[in-house]
Amino acid sequence: GENVEQHPSTLSVQEGDSAVIKCTYSDSASNYFPWYKQELGKGPQLIIDIRSNVGEKKDQRIAVTLNKTAKHFSLHITETQPEDSAVYFCAILNANDYKLSFGAGTTVTVRA
Amino acid sequence: NAGVTQTPKFRILKIGQSMTLQCAQDMNHNYMYWYRQDPGMGLKLIYYSVGAGITDKGEVPNGYNVSRSTTEDFPLRLELAAPSQTSVYFCASSPGRYTQYFGPGTRLTVL
Repeated sequence: GENVEQHPSTLSVQEGDSAVIKCTYSDSASNYFPWYKQELGKGPQLIIDIRSNVGEKKDQRIAVTLNKTAKHFSLHITETQPEDSAVYFCAILNANDYKLSFGAGTTVTVRA
Repeated sequence: NAGVTQTPKFRILKIGQSMTLQCAQDMNHNYMYWYRQDPGMGLKLIYYSVGAGITDKGEVPNGYNVSRSTTEDFPLRLELAAPSQTSVYFCASSPGRYTQYFGPGTRLTVL
């Protein structure tokens, strides 16, 4: 799969603070950038995605920003709550074969 | 809709045994996928299918086989299980080439 680097691998934040996770990629043909949330013992669930013709997308407390020139995109969670504690994965879609390549994941812990 | 269902939830195999992981979806999605997730790693694509009768290899297909005789079902077959196949396996489906919906996973241990 295409190389996707995700940072940080772990993130601990105080409840109410913001969390930011960043992913970088190398394939300039990628055109779809989803973020998945995986709770313990469950499968990943899509929380937000962005297409290459959009720079930012927001859905309540979560937002994704995309910089195609620099080949990176980020997930922003504001006003974090304990239920935001989970593993978050970024992914990119290879425009040539339409396969998703995933980052290694970020374990987010929200401290009460 | 039940979405994507997977059975079994857990399984322990001995080296050399075979088994089939079941995956079914009731959303009439054409695209289906099998991934494996190793500790601390992202998901790796094993096989995928773009419709009944059509399958193709992903990033890590060795040691696995799939079939897609119906739109609903996409079983993953492990022949001659090896310790390296200890992992959590996720099935996913998609109505097109973008949003994927994942099942709850099967945790497999090969001893």
